[in-house]
Amino acid sequence: AQSVTQLGSHVSVSEGALVLLRCNYSSSVPPYLFWYVQYPNQGLQLLLKYTTGATLVKGINGFEAEFKKSETSFHLTKPSAHMSDAAEYFCAVSDQTSYDKVIFGPGTSLSVIP
Amino acid sequence: DAGVTQSPTHLIKTRGQQVTLRCSPKSGHDTVSWYQQALGQGPQFIFQYYEEEERQRGNFPDRFSGHQFPNYSSELNVNALLLGDSALYLCASSLLSSEKLFFGSGTQLSVL
Repeated sequence: AQSVTQLGSHVSVSEGALVLLRCNYSSSVPPYLFWYVQYPNQGLQLLLKYTTGATLVKGINGFEAEFKKSETSFHLTKPSAHMSDAAEYFCAVSDQTSYDKVIFGPGTSLSVIP
Repeated sequence: DAGVTQSPTHLIKTRGQQVTLRCSPKSGHDTVSWYQQALGQGPQFIFQYYEEEERQRGNFPDRFSGHQFPNYSSELNVNALLLGDSALYLCASSLLSSEKLFFGSGTQLSVL
């Protein structure tokens, strides 16, 4: 069975500071990995995804994530936080045989302090 | 191009009642998945429909059922509502051949 853990249910950063949101996964087969963002009263929007190939993945709004198989991690980073980045972030995993059954982590709420 | 649309946006029911939620997928998509998102938690997979059949199912009781129509739209039905069914219900559409999900804004269900 697949699962996702996200260290830190809430993260606060200052505007302009580095954003680091942590994600670890468990999967018995090669995974597909995703980061989604959810703004208040909205659905989820895909930030970036890893399927195969390059392990450093770039997404929208300046975010990127690196797939580290040895650490079973897929941490999300952004060099400089903006106020508009304040939202809930979800890491998710699916396997390459039933990739549309996506399993989500519990989420990390990001606050950006001016 | 309309994205994924869900109706209604909000719904209030009492325990024991039945509810139907609706979803229209993004144009061109053939697969619909439903998720339950309780307050402060990540979305939990309920089930997925493709070609009008339930293709995969998560760990939810039989009180949760669904349907997909020939135009790919979908309904989620929940019978005998419990207080614990209060949540945001999200619909996501995709192509069966794609790993990318497109989410609607959800239906907020409150069970009193």
